[in-house]
Amino acid sequence: EVQLVESGGGLVKPGGSLRLSCAASGFNFYVYSMNWVRQRPGKGLEWVSSIGATAGLIYYADSVRGRFTISRDNARNIVTLDMSSLTADDSAVYFCAANRPPTTTYGYEIWGRGTLITVSS
Amino acid sequence: QSVLTQPPSVSGAPGQTVFISCTGYSSNLGAGYDVAWYQQLPGEAPKLLICASTNRPSGVPDRFSGSKSGTSASLAIGGLQDEDEGDYYCQSYDSSLTAYVFGSGTRVTVL
Repeated sequence: EVQLVESGGGLVKPGGSLRLSCAASGFNFYVYSMNWVRQRPGKGLEWVSSIGATAGLIYYADSVRGRFTISRDNARNIVTLDMSSLTADDSAVYFCAANRPPTTTYGYEIWGRGTLITVSS
Repeated sequence: QSVLTQPPSVSGAPGQTVFISCTGYSSNLGAGYDVAWYQQLPGEAPKLLICASTNRPSGVPDRFSGSKSGTSASLAIGGLQDEDEGDYYCQSYDSSLTAYVFGSGTRVTVL
């Protein structure tokens, strides 16, 4: 079964750090670009970060650049998002998504169910 | 404020066709970048409906169709059904932002 499963969400204090993981199965992870997309409560989708199949290309949204770091382990079929200096504005459901490159041709074909992050004191 | 603008809501009776617009700029749709469309049903993760502006992935009903021209794109939902109620998002690449941006989202209501 084609699947993405996010983990690592939870409650964190402002200024704190958190690591999200996304485990992939059922498809050739090593040829897919991987992405993180977030959705604040009651709001729309916001692209956060993308990493190419070989990690040679990495992109970040302006809102997280310098605070978030995306990485991947093709041997373990995992993509991670290290988040630091968290604020209440980072509170959201974080989705992991996969696409065959190029993104604009194939779109985000595979999605996880998401993991909730709440930043609060 | 998204660089891809969608109407906040559209509605239609069962069986009707509704259209959702996605208006961008010369740095995204106008630069020739394709658009993808996603459906998000209540409480669920988004699902890819259209890629490369007009292509339907396997398993997506042909009631869903996409088009693109210049700085605008459109998603049509034909033969509207109750289960189509949800939120719809467009997505493209913006070269000025170097970002894969989503549209502001459109809530579809079946009357």
